[in-house]
Amino acid sequence: ELKVEQNPLFLSMQEGKNYTIYCNYSTTSDRLYWYRQDPGKSLESLFVLLSNGAVKQEGRLMASLDTKARLSTLHITAAVHDLSATYFCAVDIGGGSRLTFGEGTQLTVNP
Amino acid sequence: GAVVSQHPSRVICKSGTSVKIECRSLDFQATTMFWYRQFPKKSLMLMATSNEGSKATYEQGVEKDKFLINHASLTLSTLTVTSAHPEDSSFYICSASGLERRAFDSYEQYFGPGTRLTVT
Repeated sequence: ELKVEQNPLFLSMQEGKNYTIYCNYSTTSDRLYWYRQDPGKSLESLFVLLSNGAVKQEGRLMASLDTKARLSTLHITAAVHDLSATYFCAVDIGGGSRLTFGEGTQLTVNP
Repeated sequence: GAVVSQHPSRVICKSGTSVKIECRSLDFQATTMFWYRQFPKKSLMLMATSNEGSKATYEQGVEKDKFLINHASLTLSTLTVTSAHPEDSSFYICSASGLERRAFDSYEQYFGPGTRLTVT
């Protein structure tokens, strides 16, 4: 059974600081997704990582994938309040786009 | 592009009644649609995968007779919660992946805005 674990589950940080969210998964997969969810809303796609060593950046967020270590990271640079949300990673099971989600990381950025 | 809509966005129903939720891809043809449920402050759990014109594939532990899924066309999938009970109250989210490989990332899933179901 595929397990996807995120760390930390809760993160409170100050504006301007940097931090990293980790996503570990238990079985082979070459496709990993990061999503953002605001309270009461659905998911917003952030990144799709398709191969080992993939790195993508958008604004203050950067995601990377190490398929050998079964680890993805979401790095936040110089956080701002607008980044406050819950962030999910998700792993594709068996290439059929069936996703298993991590527990989510609830990020709060304080002024 | 790649917009997915859901209807209704919010529904309240009495215990024992059935509720239908629609998921539509508005600007692309969705060969596959997925249905998820999410409890408050929890993660998303995949319920089933539906392909146009064929029976849905349900995840382990999901009752197919209770959660009826129909994917009648390349732009519409429906989830019917039959004989709903309070424990079925949840946030139901659909997603779609499509044929438009030139326009969109073929590995991307596009999520609908979700339907909040409350069973009283």
